[in-house]
Formats: sequence, structure tokens, C-alpha cells
Amino acid sequence: SQQGEEDPQALSIQEGENATMNCSYKTSINNLQWYRQNSGRGLVHLILIRSNEREKHSGRLRVTLDTSKKSSSLLITASRAADTASYFCAANTGFQKLVFGTGTRLLVSP
Amino acid sequence: SAVISQKPSRDICQRGTSLTIQCQVDSQVTMMFWYRQQPGQSLTLIATANQGSEATYESGFVIDKFPISRPNLTFSTLTVSNLSPEDSSIYLCSVDSGNSHYEQYFGPGTRLTVT
Repeated sequence: SQQGEEDPQALSIQEGENATMNCSYKTSINNLQWYRQNSGRGLVHLILIRSNEREKHSGRLRVTLDTSKKSSSLLITASRAADTASYFCAANTGFQKLVFGTGTRLLVSP
Repeated sequence: SAVISQKPSRDICQRGTSLTIQCQVDSQVTMMFWYRQQPGQSLTLIATANQGSEATYESGFVIDKFPISRPNLTFSTLTVSNLSPEDSSIYLCSVDSGNSHYEQYFGPGTRLTVT
């Protein structure tokens, strides 16, 4: 399978704490994208990091990419209850298709 | 960004029947994608649909089971045929953003339960 792996599978934290999710992928990439899915609904694009970038920030999100290890991490700082969702990484190999990771279920408790 | 709607949002179908899912986009797009998300799992690409050509199916998915239509640049349908309980999933359509980064915009999904 081409699917990437994410860990942890599930993460439970308190509001205000930071949440870190990791993603590993299998092929060379054009970019690595992160998506959020609330309760079995559609996915929302969060942030994208290109293969020649090592770190990117967007608001409370920080993404890192290590192409030598074929891995990426997503950090959500100062988590809120509204951040409760599933988070998926998606590898773009230069064509228009995305290969999604297995996902991390994040629960942020008030 | 594109706004995508799907119909129905959910359905319960009997074994052996079929369900057709509609995906409508508020702007013209070249490529549309159909995904399956089995319970508690990640997304698996079923096929890519270009307007005016046959859909391109991923390994493990066949046209007889998942026929797709793409009659114009804003609309597509996915039919899941000869339903079995294993087809119980969320089905999502998405469109390419049209920029060089290949981000995708997703519809809200159709939750199918087969009894």
C-alpha cells in the first residue's frame, strides 16, 4: 500500500496544551499537506509544505518536513476544544492525486 | 476556494441495491475525485473523473461496481452497485484547487449504511 502512517493513532490532551502528530510517507513528494476532518464530515485543508521547505507556520500550526526521513510533523499550539478532530497528512507526488495517511484522532478536553 | 455539495448526506440501503451519489461544485473544475472512507479508517481514492473522458480507477476498484459519470465541469455522480455491508462507508468527492500545489477541496461526504 502507498498509504502513509501517522502516529499516534489517538491523542487526548487538555485545552492549552500542545498537540504533535507525526506522519511518514513512502515515496518522493512534491509537497506534503495536512487536512482536518470533523466527526466524519468533509476534509478541510490546513497547511501545505513543499519538498524544499523544512518548516512552515500558519497561526497556531507549525509543520516540519524531513525528506531524508520521509517524515513530517504537525504541531498545534495552545489547543482548544474546537481542535477536536481527525488530522490526516496527504502526500502529493507531483501529479494531482493525494495519498492520505492513516490519521490521528485528537481529543481536546476543556 | 470551491464550494462542494453532495447528495444525499446519508442513506440506509438494502443489500443488493445501488446508491447514486451526486457531487455539485460551484465553479468549473477539470478534475474531480471520489474517495471511500471505511469506518475509522483513512481515505482511499476510488477514481479520478475528468469531464468528457472515462474515469480512471485505482487498483481494487472497478467500473462495474463504481460507475462514475462526469457530464460537465461542475457535476459528477458515483454509483455504488450491488451493495453489500462491506460498502458501508463515507463517500467523499473532492476537486483539485487548480493551483500548482494540488490542494483539494472536499464535499461534506455521504454516509452509506448497507443492511
